Amino acid sequence: AQSVTQPDIHITVSEGASLELRCNYSYGATPYLFWYVQSPGQGLQLLLKYFSGDTLVQGIKGFEAEFKRSQSSFNLRKPSVHWSDAAEYFCAVGSSNTGKLIFGQGTTLQVKP
Amino acid sequence: NAGVTQTPKFQVLKTGQSMTLQCAQDMNHEYMSWYRQDPGMGLRLIHYSVGAGITDQGEVPNGYNVSRSTTEDFPLRLLSAAPSQTSVYFCASSYSGRAGRVADEQFFGPGTRLTVL
Repeated sequence: AQSVTQPDIHITVSEGASLELRCNYSYGATPYLFWYVQSPGQGLQLLLKYFSGDTLVQGIKGFEAEFKRSQSSFNLRKPSVHWSDAAEYFCAVGSSNTGKLIFGQGTTLQVKP
Repeated sequence: NAGVTQTPKFQVLKTGQSMTLQCAQDMNHEYMSWYRQDPGMGLRLIHYSVGAGITDQGEVPNGYNVSRSTTEDFPLRLLSAAPSQTSVYFCASSYSGRAGRVADEQFFGPGTRLTVL
């Protein structure tokens, strides 16, 4: 069965520091992987997605993610965090034939000034 | 182009009451879905539809009904509300659907915050 694990429930980083949010997935076939961001009181916005090809994916707002099949991981990174990046981040894996997405539990990012 | 719209934004119900959460999209997406979001549990899929006339259950379907009579609309019905259904509900849509397309970006509505007393 598909599943997604985000090991870190809450992360705090200083503004300007680098960021890595972890995501591990379980899926029997080629995974379709997504990262979404949710600002307080808002809906979800897509940051980036991986379907195939280059394993390093660039997204919006300066985010990138790297797909590592051997580790079943799709970690999200940003070299320098801004205060406006404080939000909740969700990793998701998609089915190859139904369109369904399964989400992780989310990681809340706090940014210290 | 309004994207995905949800009404109402907030709702308070008493235990046993029924209501319908509305969801509409104007992007001609085949795939639509309903999630509930609870603290520490991420988003859990309630029901989904791969096209008009076709619906299926997700992870947590109990207590909820859906139908899909048009491409645009996908209402979620609570037949007899319970306090355990207190949550934030999101509707989403994407191009994926019965055409056999793989999972693609889902566009989310702004959410409905439901409290059941």
